[in-house]
Amino acid sequence: ILNVEQSPQSLHVQEGDSTNFTCSFPSSNFYALHWYRWETAKSPEALFVMTLNGDEKKKGRISATLNTKEGYSYLYIKGSQPEDSATYLCAFATGTYKYIFGTGTRLKVLA
Amino acid sequence: TAGITQAPTSQILAAGRSMTLRCTQDMRHNAMYWYRQDLGLGLRLIHYSNTAGTTGKGEVPDGYSVSRANTDDFPLTLASAVPSQTSVYFCASSGQGSGNEQFFGPGTRLTVL
Repeated sequence: ILNVEQSPQSLHVQEGDSTNFTCSFPSSNFYALHWYRWETAKSPEALFVMTLNGDEKKKGRISATLNTKEGYSYLYIKGSQPEDSATYLCAFATGTYKYIFGTGTRLKVLA
Repeated sequence: TAGITQAPTSQILAAGRSMTLRCTQDMRHNAMYWYRQDLGLGLRLIHYSNTAGTTGKGEVPDGYSVSRANTDDFPLTLASAVPSQTSVYFCASSGQGSGNEQFFGPGTRLTVL
């Protein structure tokens, strides 16, 4: 059974702190790794799609890295703001159109 | 642009009844997906379609059927609902292949009593 694990499950940080989360996935048969941001009462929105080992993606204060050989991806948020409060999901593609989602890291940024 | 829409927003359904959840996208995406979201389990793929006329099973397909008559619509049918199908259902669409981000609809909250 393929498993995608995210850690930590939840996190509280102060405004201005930098933080990071981990997504662990199987290290064989890699297709892609997606990161999504999911705010309460909204739908998940894509942050990054990562397809190559060593990929580094950045969008504003948020960045992500990918290591397919060891099966992990890190998501970093620099200088967290209250509007960054959300659940961050990773999704591992097990085939061209099949995905296993992690259960997410719930981030709360305290003002 | 509407993006991806789902209907109904929420529904209470008696066990044994049938129900079709509707999903429509206007982005001309080839791929569409249905997920269910349950507390503590994250999003789980029910069925997907990579193009009109073709569908495939995801992680939890039992009790559900889908069709893809055209590019825009991807309805999900519960033929005989059971309480374990109580969940929030999300439809999504994407371009072809796993290298494309998915766009999610607003979700349908279904309660089966």
